[in-house]
Amino acid sequence: QQQVKQSPQSLIVQKGGISIINCAYENTAFDYFPWYQQFPGKGPALLIAIRPDVSEKKEGRFTISFNKSAKQFSLHIMDSQPGDSATYFCAASSDGNDMRFGAGTRLTVKP
Amino acid sequence: GAGVSQSPRYKVAKRGQDVALRCDPISGHVSLFWYQQALGQGPEFLTYFQNEAQLDKSGLPSDRFFAERPEGSVSTLKIQRTQQEDSAVYLCASSSQTGNQPQHFGDGTRLSIL
Repeated sequence: QQQVKQSPQSLIVQKGGISIINCAYENTAFDYFPWYQQFPGKGPALLIAIRPDVSEKKEGRFTISFNKSAKQFSLHIMDSQPGDSATYFCAASSDGNDMRFGAGTRLTVKP
Repeated sequence: GAGVSQSPRYKVAKRGQDVALRCDPISGHVSLFWYQQALGQGPEFLTYFQNEAQLDKSGLPSDRFFAERPEGSVSTLKIQRTQQEDSAVYLCASSSQTGNQPQHFGDGTRLSIL
């Protein structure tokens, strides 16, 4: 049972554009929502994370928007760059020890 | 080192052989996690340690999978009588505390079962 559903599977964006990746969850006990970036042959690296007491969190070009009532959250990458081309995973957990990941979005930023 | 270190990076084994995968977490990190990542998929939780105690092993796919962290630092994931469906990347992560803390991942061990 996939507890975190992620879309789209793949995304192509022009340099300078906005990349948007969406996730939805079912378990209302989840209270921590991180996003990870993974390059080929490397482990996932934490980008940014949010807790449900805020609706938005911004760090540099990366913003998480969170909608608790809809049980959805999204990652926005502003001014997308070719170096952002990677696979992005959303995740959710309730106590940090039960992290559930989405299936991933392969982002390609064209120069 | 500064990050989570996993070895070997690549492992090829014949079906039926036993394998052992090693994880060196960041020094002082209390929590250690093992994940299995199939090609084109997100990591799937396998097991969790807090220091030397294995507090959750609900994600281990079968009793052929066994993990240990005897001294609360280095951990080993062992797979007995390997099957082709065990082929995946095995990721280890550690975090400095319990609860919702950032998990720092190693680069994984790519296991191929022939």
